[in-house]
Amino acid sequence: GAGVSQSPSNKVTEKGKDVELRCDPISGHTALYWYRQSLGQGLEFLIYFQGNSAPDKSGLPSDRFSAERTGGSVSTLTIQRTQQEDSAVYLCASSSYRGVSEKLFFGSGTQLSVL
Amino acid sequence: GDSVTQMEGPVTLSEEAFLTINCTYTATGYPSLFWYVQYPGEGLQLLLKATKADDKGSNKGFEATYRKETTSFHLEKGSVQVSDSAVYFCALSDYGGGNKLTFGTGTQLKVEL
Repeated sequence: GAGVSQSPSNKVTEKGKDVELRCDPISGHTALYWYRQSLGQGLEFLIYFQGNSAPDKSGLPSDRFSAERTGGSVSTLTIQRTQQEDSAVYLCASSSYRGVSEKLFFGSGTQLSVL
Repeated sequence: GDSVTQMEGPVTLSEEAFLTINCTYTATGYPSLFWYVQYPGEGLQLLLKATKADDKGSNKGFEATYRKETTSFHLEKGSVQVSDSAVYFCALSDYGGGNKLTFGTGTQLKVEL
């Protein structure tokens, strides 16, 4: 596709359930990022992939959060045993990494609501 | 660590008013600086950027100058329009961060007729 695609766009789940969020980056983009946008909190970095490896996982808030990327393309963010504080918009971004000034292209996000 | 501080909103202006949204940063190296914008119902998109001191980024009538001495990157526009209503995020990326962006909390701008 032409842009970064995320699915689902909305997800409502019950506390304690596991959820999987998917990101399909722009074709050819080697760098992929997950961010979380909470109301009044701005954007919080979660994890960064370069190819299939994740050199920076420093933003994952707990061991309930994990992410993987396969084939240098699609990424999945998994949240186990969801809690109400996990409710947020989860954003994925990609870039053709050439340096720190390269712009990121963002998807429209997945709105996660944990009841 | 790196951080970005920007003025809290919402900022409400009349059409054709002058806009300033303040942004200051803390970084260990020499970061690149960005303004991203999120229009209602849309994803984040890059508005402008500057990669070194004294650079001015500009786009769609918006400008921001990279001021190393004051560690600032304030966003300005001379005459805002209703269509500029959005949330504006200041951000930086630094060497060693893998192009990871550190964002401010965002400033909501509302422009009224």
